[in-house]
Amino acid sequence: GESVGLHLPTLSVQEGDNSIINCAYSNSASDYFIWYKQESGKGPQFIIDIRSNMDKRQGQRVTVLLNKTVKHLSLQIAATQPGDSAVYFCAERRSGGYQKVTFGTGTKLQVIP
Amino acid sequence: DTAVSQTPKYLVTQMGNDKSIKCEQNLGHDTMYWYKQDSKKFLKIMFSYNNKELIINETVPNRFSPKSPDKAHLNLHINSLELGDSAVYFCASSLISSAYTIYFGEGSWLTVV
Repeated sequence: GESVGLHLPTLSVQEGDNSIINCAYSNSASDYFIWYKQESGKGPQFIIDIRSNMDKRQGQRVTVLLNKTVKHLSLQIAATQPGDSAVYFCAERRSGGYQKVTFGTGTKLQVIP
Repeated sequence: DTAVSQTPKYLVTQMGNDKSIKCEQNLGHDTMYWYKQDSKKFLKIMFSYNNKELIINETVPNRFSPKSPDKAHLNLHINSLELGDSAVYFCASSLISSAYTIYFGEGSWLTVV
């Protein structure tokens, strides 16, 4: 299943399936795009980033895709596990000056055992 | 062992009071932040300090006054608390050279009654 950002939707995925979390961004001047995971009662935690001159980057069980033509970012989680249940935020860093990181509104991922 | 630690974790106070939240990081980072997260999980930057110098100051009421005695500490003082100040306040830190990888504290839950 997949979900589109920018108001806190909930994505429910069966354990073991792949998850796709989507995000739209607006600032063409951003040089980095980042995904953060926030578990209940905790602070956001960095997952993976992608530079604006790339279109794909892979980590451990996660892949981030960047489509600059349509200003779209996605996070794919392979073989989703109960521990993946959290709110996921996309964020962007504006280039130049003191680079400010701006967060999107988040998507809640619920993993069904 | 905690990388970014903030106190108190929970704070319930009456309107009109003044309160402070303290933050410390032991990561050797040169940049620290305060973020505010509202009830809809929207995460917004308030302030950022680099080596004790204020570099980001978003549109925040001047009742909020950050203070950075050294680059490992960033405190937030709030005067004349209002109901709308109720939120979770996150302290965070990073290196200015990789300011897209931000390390967050566990958050301080402020409730104004």
